[in-house]
Amino acid sequence: DQQVKQNSPSLSVQEGRISILNCDYTNSMFDYFLWYKKYPAEGPTFLISISSIKDKNEDGRFTVFLNKSAKHLSLHIVPSQPGDSAVYFCAATSRRNTGKLIFGQGTTLQVKP
Amino acid sequence: DAGVIQSPRHEVTEMGQEVTLRCKLISGHNSLFWYRQTMMRGLELLIYFNNNVPIDDSGMPEDRFSAKMPNASFSTLKIQPSEPRDSAVYFCASSRDRANQPQHFGDGTRLSIL
Repeated sequence: DQQVKQNSPSLSVQEGRISILNCDYTNSMFDYFLWYKKYPAEGPTFLISISSIKDKNEDGRFTVFLNKSAKHLSLHIVPSQPGDSAVYFCAATSRRNTGKLIFGQGTTLQVKP
Repeated sequence: DAGVIQSPRHEVTEMGQEVTLRCKLISGHNSLFWYRQTMMRGLELLIYFNNNVPIDDSGMPEDRFSAKMPNASFSTLKIQPSEPRDSAVYFCASSRDRANQPQHFGDGTRLSIL
C-alpha cells in the first residue's frame, strides 16, 4: 500500500518555464510534507516543507502548495533552470511519528536549455 | 558545517560475508535514520534512533540486519550474512529532535553483493 504517490516518473520543461511536480497521499494523519531533490551519486537534499496548517509555502523560486481536501501537494519551480534537473521526492509524516518519513517514488525533472 | 558522513561510499563483497556500513551524524542532531533505496521499492526507512535509542525498527527486513548507535554521533548498520538481494544504496540521515525538522542525508553507500 503506497501511502505517498508521485504518478509522473518524469517531466521535461524548457528553461525559464514553470515546472510543476505533483504528489498525492492517502493517510489523513499526515500533517507535515517535504520535498527533496536528488542528484546522481548524492543523497537527497532537503528543499522545502509545509505544515498542514498552511496551504502554501514559498522559498525563492520554489513554492509548495497543499490541498488537504484532495490529499494533494505540488511543487512549483519558477523559473526553471538547467541546474534544477534532478530527481524530486515528495515525503510525508505525522507529528505523532515525526521520525517516519514516507517517500514517493520520485519524479525525474529535466530542464532543457 | 559538515553534513552526514557515510562510509564506505562503495562496497562490493561476496555473498555470505559480513558488511558494516558507517554513519556520522551532523553535530547537534539527535535523531538518526537508516534508509535503503532500490529500483523496486524506492526509498524505504529501515530503522530510526532518537537519543541513541531505537524507536522503530519495523522496516528492518530480517534478523540478518542490525543497527547500533554506540555513541551520540555515530551509527553502524550491519548485514550478516549478506545476500545478493541486499544490493542497494543505503542512506543515513539525521535531524534535530523537534517537530517539523527536516532530515539531512548522507551521500549513501552503494552496496553490491555478488
